[in-house]
Amino acid sequence: EPEVTQTPSHQVTQMGQEVILRCVPISNHLYFYWYRQILGQKVEFLVSFYNNEISEKSEIFDDQFSVERPDGSNFTLKIRSTKLEDSAMYFCASSVRTGLEKLFFGSGTQLSVL
Amino acid sequence: TQLLEQSPQFLSIQEGENLTVYCNSSSVFSSLQWYRQEPGEGPVLLVTVVTGGEVKKLKRLTFQFGDARKDSSLHITAAQPGDTGLYLCAGGDTDKLIFGTGTRLQVFP
Repeated sequence: EPEVTQTPSHQVTQMGQEVILRCVPISNHLYFYWYRQILGQKVEFLVSFYNNEISEKSEIFDDQFSVERPDGSNFTLKIRSTKLEDSAMYFCASSVRTGLEKLFFGSGTQLSVL
Repeated sequence: TQLLEQSPQFLSIQEGENLTVYCNSSSVFSSLQWYRQEPGEGPVLLVTVVTGGEVKKLKRLTFQFGDARKDSSLHITAAQPGDTGLYLCAGGDTDKLIFGTGTRLQVFP
């Protein structure tokens, strides 16, 4: 079965540094998402992206966050100035369409902010 | 704010036992999805239920959507060690899923 690929699997950074989390969605998918899961907490929606623009974002997704699809295959999440509370597992996901379509998740990037 | 509460939070059982996991909300959802997540992996979709009262079966797993579309249950018959994992319900459209609090299941041989 096709997979969503995320790199790196682990990222350690200092507070205040910029990080870019990378994702390669499934090739024929058109909708892309970022979710995060803080240790011991539930999975939380961050942002959805379609047709090269954000279609929806949560309160978590503030000005420190941005997303980009720079080259038609990668989908990135940038955190401009990381905070300790940004430490979490970040999941990329993609789907063919929105609505009730199956969502495919990557294996995640564990971000640790020190 | 839409919330999904799952119960129990943790469940440890012996192989061969039956179990039920519940997902409850005070809000109506257009659909509910059930995922299973293993350590170090992302959630994997098991099923989507759409119609109030709908029942879907996936081998030993039975999923039900409440008549009012505010709750759902997952029943596992004759649990096996391979069923061990974190079970998550999630509501809403794929565009913005709201996840439940999760039920961590451990099945001992």
